[in-house]
Amino acid sequence: QKEVEQNSGPLSVPEGAIASLNCTYSDRGSQSFFWYRQYSGKSPELIMFIYSNGDKEDGRFTAQLNKASQYVSLLIRDSQPSDSATYLCAVNNNDYKLSFGAGTTVTVRA
Amino acid sequence: DTAVSQTPKYLVTQMGNDKSIKCEQNLGHDTMYWYKQDSKKFLKIMFSYNNKELIINETVPNRFSPKSPDKAHLNLHINSLELGDSAVYFCASGLATQETQYFGPGTRLLVL
Repeated sequence: QKEVEQNSGPLSVPEGAIASLNCTYSDRGSQSFFWYRQYSGKSPELIMFIYSNGDKEDGRFTAQLNKASQYVSLLIRDSQPSDSATYLCAVNNNDYKLSFGAGTTVTVRA
Repeated sequence: DTAVSQTPKYLVTQMGNDKSIKCEQNLGHDTMYWYKQDSKKFLKIMFSYNNKELIINETVPNRFSPKSPDKAHLNLHINSLELGDSAVYFCASGLATQETQYFGPGTRLLVL
């Protein structure tokens, strides 16, 4: 079983719609959770982090964490063509290491 | 000002050669990392240094040798390059175990 799994995608959504990205993790002791965005040919950049159960909102992005279900998600509201990228879920087990999922590629159709 | 920088940006070389990639961060972080991203875009940690001390070594062939001369620099030397080493190598830095990591622009290595 992979440490961090994401829905494989690609995910295609129309402009203005909500894009929903899912991520599950295997280590119940995981402490912190991150969503990175990676444009083609570029480096990953952080868009959200979440430590506690519940929702965390930042602009058009909402991260949701459920530690009991070992599940973290990212919602992108009012999706824009500029949101087209690969989204990487990452999990930190308090051991200096980020474990990444394979990423979900999102395409926003104009 | 570039937070995490890497050189070179592109590296094309022949099998069997030895090459180095350099990384520098000006964020004042005390932990630095090397990641490898393969052709399927899977990002996997290779090494981590905290205050110049190696703390993570993730089952990487010993042809790969990291070196951290100080907290702001982490270099990666690769001996006897193989075709399978072709990938994008990202350097990253961070402050503490639960803080975010900031990535450099990547070094695209192609072994022919």
